[in-house]
This record gives sequence, C-alpha cells and structure tokens, in this order.
Amino acid sequence: EVQVVESGGGLVQPGGSLRLSCATSRFTFSTCWMSWVRQVLGRGPEWVAHISPDGSGKYYVDSVKGRTTISRDNAKSSLYLQMNSLRVEDTAVYYCVGFCSGGNYWGQGSLVTVSS
Amino acid sequence: DVVMTQSPLSLPVTLGQPASISCRSSQSLVYSDGNTHFSWLQQRPGQSPRRLIYGISNRDSGVPDRFSGSGSGTDFTLKISRVEAEDVGVYYCMQYIDWPHTFGQGTKLEIK
Repeated sequence: EVQVVESGGGLVQPGGSLRLSCATSRFTFSTCWMSWVRQVLGRGPEWVAHISPDGSGKYYVDSVKGRTTISRDNAKSSLYLQMNSLRVEDTAVYYCVGFCSGGNYWGQGSLVTVSS
Repeated sequence: DVVMTQSPLSLPVTLGQPASISCRSSQSLVYSDGNTHFSWLQQRPGQSPRRLIYGISNRDSGVPDRFSGSGSGTDFTLKISRVEAEDVGVYYCMQYIDWPHTFGQGTKLEIK
C-alpha cells in the first residue's frame, strides 16, 4: 500500500519558521511531480508549491513566494517544505501530494498553527 | 489565475438516487497535447482529499463505476448514478493546466 506521511507541523509564532517533511513509500517517487497543498479548516484546498521529478522546476503560489522553499530527495523518497516569516494566514493543514502516472497520492496532512 | 466555478454548492440526495455536479473553468483546460488537465476530487468528513477522476472521464484505481465524468473545454460534469451513504462529503473540481493549480469552491453532498 502506498504511504505518504507528513511531519513537522505544530504551533509557531508569527514571523517564525517551520520545515515540513513528507516520507513516501511504495510508489516511484522519483518519477512523480510532488506538491504541497494546504487547507484551512472548513474551506477548500489551496495549492502552495509544486516541484518537478528531478527538482529543477519549482512553482509557488504568490502568497508564499519569497518565504517558502520546496525541495525533494529522490534517494530518500522524501519531500520538504521550508516556510519562513510565517503569518497567521498560513495556518492550515498541509498535505503532501504525489502526481504520478500510476495515480494521485495524498497524505493525512500536518497541522501548522501560526499564533502568538 | 484560472477560476473554477462549481454548482450547486449544496446537494441533498436520497440514497439510491442519482446526483450531478457541474464545474466551469474560466479558460480552456485543453493542453497542447490534446489532453484536458481537469480532475474531480472527493473529501469525506475528516479525511484527506482523494482524486476520483482525471482527464475528464478516467476513473482512478478503486473508484466505483457509479462515478462518471464528462464534458469538454471549459464545462464539466460529475455524475453519481446511485448515491450511497459512503459518498457523503465535499466534491471539488480542479484544473492543472496552469499555475497555480486551482480548485472549485466545493459541493457538499449530503443524504436527505
């Protein structure tokens, strides 16, 4: 069974930093586009960042551009999201999502709460 | 950004009856290779979203055949032939032809 497991969420003060990690298994991670998608409780999902299979292509939604870096380690089948200068409006559940030829894989999410 | 507009936003359905959700995009989702970069996702209460259909009408592995997708260009429809209790949740349409990828507002399906 495909596994996608996020970690690293938690409570952080405005202006602080956080690094989310996503460990995956049982699919060919290195051939998949990978993304971070966030969802505020009670609202629809929002794409945050997207990275190509080899890591050379990276895309960010405007609201996080300049504050956020997506990266991946294909040898470890892992995805990361470094978030800096966090704002209250960044509070959400963050999902790691894989887009592969064989399917579309979502993790259970990691809650990030930005609050003083 | 590509705007995705769903209707209805609330959908009460009797068990065993059909259901239909519409989605319209603000621009064509047909890519240069001829494929349409469009998906439907389901989010059951308390769960992560799950893709049901991609490329207009292709069901993902494990998705029951009572779910079907249709449409073209900018107008798309998700149909459930006979609603079951496990279908309760929020359904989102999504485009991935342009960055940022965007979702519709969501349609909440509930049992009458």
